[in-house]
Amino acid sequence: SYELTQPLSVSVALGQTARITCDGNNIGSKNVHWYQQKAGQAPVLVIYRDTNRPSGIPERFSGSNSGNTATLTISTAQAGDEADYYCQLWDNRGVFGGGTKLTVL
Amino acid sequence: QVQLRESGPGLVKPSETLSLTCAVSGGSISNYYWSWIRQPPGKGLEWIGYMYYNENTNYNYNPSLKSRVTISADMSKNQFSLKLTSVTAADTAVYYCVRTLSGWEAKWFDPWGQGTLVTVSS
Repeated sequence: SYELTQPLSVSVALGQTARITCDGNNIGSKNVHWYQQKAGQAPVLVIYRDTNRPSGIPERFSGSNSGNTATLTISTAQAGDEADYYCQLWDNRGVFGGGTKLTVL
Repeated sequence: QVQLRESGPGLVKPSETLSLTCAVSGGSISNYYWSWIRQPPGKGLEWIGYMYYNENTNYNYNPSLKSRVTISADMSKNQFSLKLTSVTAADTAVYYCVRTLSGWEAKWFDPWGQGTLVTVSS
């Protein structure tokens, strides 16, 4: 079965750019989606089909996907961006990465 | 704006059946995929399965849970349900109901219900 690998944690200084990676075999050939989950809350979709932002998601959130790595980029990181982030794709079933905890310093 | 809300017992005994319902408001359940996803305390997300409700309802379940899972719909109430049989402590989790969007051979999840914690314990 398909596996997605994310770093356990990523730290970013306030106002700087955070990049969260999601590794998978030839993941660039698939559509990858990203979710933000703040403490005690349900996940929220922030990027779908690699690069698309749902309505209401700030332009600071962007995505890319090529080769064996998909990346969620958060520009001008804010304290409110602290959360767990999950990548996800469809491989005849829903597959999630293990999640990355983003800390804004 | 579609909203989802889970309901059901918060405590289930080992070996019994976990039953949850998801009430959908702001839109019909027809012609959409609807999934259940769970998250054990302090852990990551696991997709349980989906149903697609129309004249030809179809289902897809996570192979790791397939033998124990049933997802069904009640069109008259605009809701769908999850049943998970023979539960153990490993089934303790927050359970989310989620609309599942589809296109370009992909499926993704939006929006999510608030989630409901189900604890399996005697």
